[in-house]
Amino acid sequence: DGGITQSPKYLFRKEGQNVTLSCEQNLNHDAMYWYRQDPGQGLRLIYYSQIVNDFQKGDIAEGYSVSREKKESFPLTVTSAQKNPTAFYLCASSAGTGTGNEQFFGPGTRLTVL
Amino acid sequence: KQEVTQIPAALSVPEGENLVLNCSFTDSAIYNLQWFRQDPGKGLTSLLLIQSSQREQTSGRLNASLDKSSGRSTLYIAASQPGDSATYLCAVMDTGRRALTFGSGTRLQVQP
Repeated sequence: DGGITQSPKYLFRKEGQNVTLSCEQNLNHDAMYWYRQDPGQGLRLIYYSQIVNDFQKGDIAEGYSVSREKKESFPLTVTSAQKNPTAFYLCASSAGTGTGNEQFFGPGTRLTVL
Repeated sequence: KQEVTQIPAALSVPEGENLVLNCSFTDSAIYNLQWFRQDPGKGLTSLLLIQSSQREQTSGRLNASLDKSSGRSTLYIAASQPGDSATYLCAVMDTGRRALTFGSGTRLQVQP
């Protein structure tokens, strides 16, 4: 069953803690993305990776970090430097970044800071 | 910096109506435009992708058009059904940055 999985579905974090959100895909896609969604808003880009061992900052990268050591995995760490991390986090992937490459999304992780 | 705007922000229609959702973007140098559907608390489902060289795409009751020069796209939903109730998001991929820029979405409710 091909697709994108994100875990956990819900995550609670105490202030000052780092947490890591998992994103795995078995679609053999080269490109992977992390977005953040706040209530009633569209998605904002945090980080993206076009190929293994390479990634670029998006619009709101401060307080977040990523790694891309394997093609199928793109974990996101929310650090204590992120001042307002409560949000819905969505991971996506695409075969490439050309004109015909559709992005597909995982089910999301809802992070709440206690 | 690319900006994407969707109008209206919310829409409520009776079942069976044909409707149009609008999307505009500020920078016409795009690779493609995608329309997504999002149900409450869920991820996004891709509906249609229009490449920059294309004018429209169709899938079932959905038709999306693209006018790159004017920075506009429309999503047409024919014969709306209560199951179409969701938030519809428009996103463009710039030629410079190979990632999507999203609008804030149109929240659609189709009344039975």
